[in-house]
Amino acid sequence: KNEVEQSPQNLTAQEGEFITINCSYSVGISALHWLQQHPGGGIVSLFMLSSGKKKHGRLIATINIQEKHSSLHITASHPRDSAVYICAVSGGGADGLTFGKGTHLIIQP
Amino acid sequence: NAGVTQTPKFRVLKTGQSMTLLCAQDMNHEYMYWYRQDPGMGLRLIHYSVGEGTTAKGEVPDGYNVSRLKKQNFLLGLESAAPSQTSVYFCASSYSNSHQPQHFGDGTRLSIL
Repeated sequence: KNEVEQSPQNLTAQEGEFITINCSYSVGISALHWLQQHPGGGIVSLFMLSSGKKKHGRLIATINIQEKHSSLHITASHPRDSAVYICAVSGGGADGLTFGKGTHLIIQP
Repeated sequence: NAGVTQTPKFRVLKTGQSMTLLCAQDMNHEYMYWYRQDPGMGLRLIHYSVGEGTTAKGEVPDGYNVSRLKKQNFLLGLESAAPSQTSVYFCASSYSNSHQPQHFGDGTRLSIL
């Protein structure tokens, strides 16, 4: 069973700061997912990646397969980025995702 | 553009009662999943389905049953609810296997007294 660890668990930053959230996993994967969960509870998929780097707006996700590590970066952070960010991995089969516990991010104005 | 719809959104049950949570998706996805989310833990897979008429157990299947009679619907049943099943339940779907992005419903908050 893959073990997915995220750090930090909680992060409070000022608006405009560059944010980094880290994710490591124990067993080789076929893809890594970054998800966002807002205070209202809904979960949205941000990225799915198996190598390299992806960018969407102010969000950037990177993955290093050899080191079993991924990072999610937020540039020019804004209070609306406040949410729980969840890392999840898949082995390529049908049996769903294995999730980290999430990083609770608060961006203060 | 409904996506994945879960009903109900909230429910309170007494120990021993039964209920069914409904998940419906309108994206013609083959794969559907039920997860539970508990404080201090990551989401955990309860059951999943790779197509109409098929179901399989996930990480924490005990106390739950599922059915996928129609491609667009995935039902999660609690036959005899227990306080340990108090949780937030999320349904998700994807076009094919877990190498595809998953689309999540808004969740069902279930309390067992």
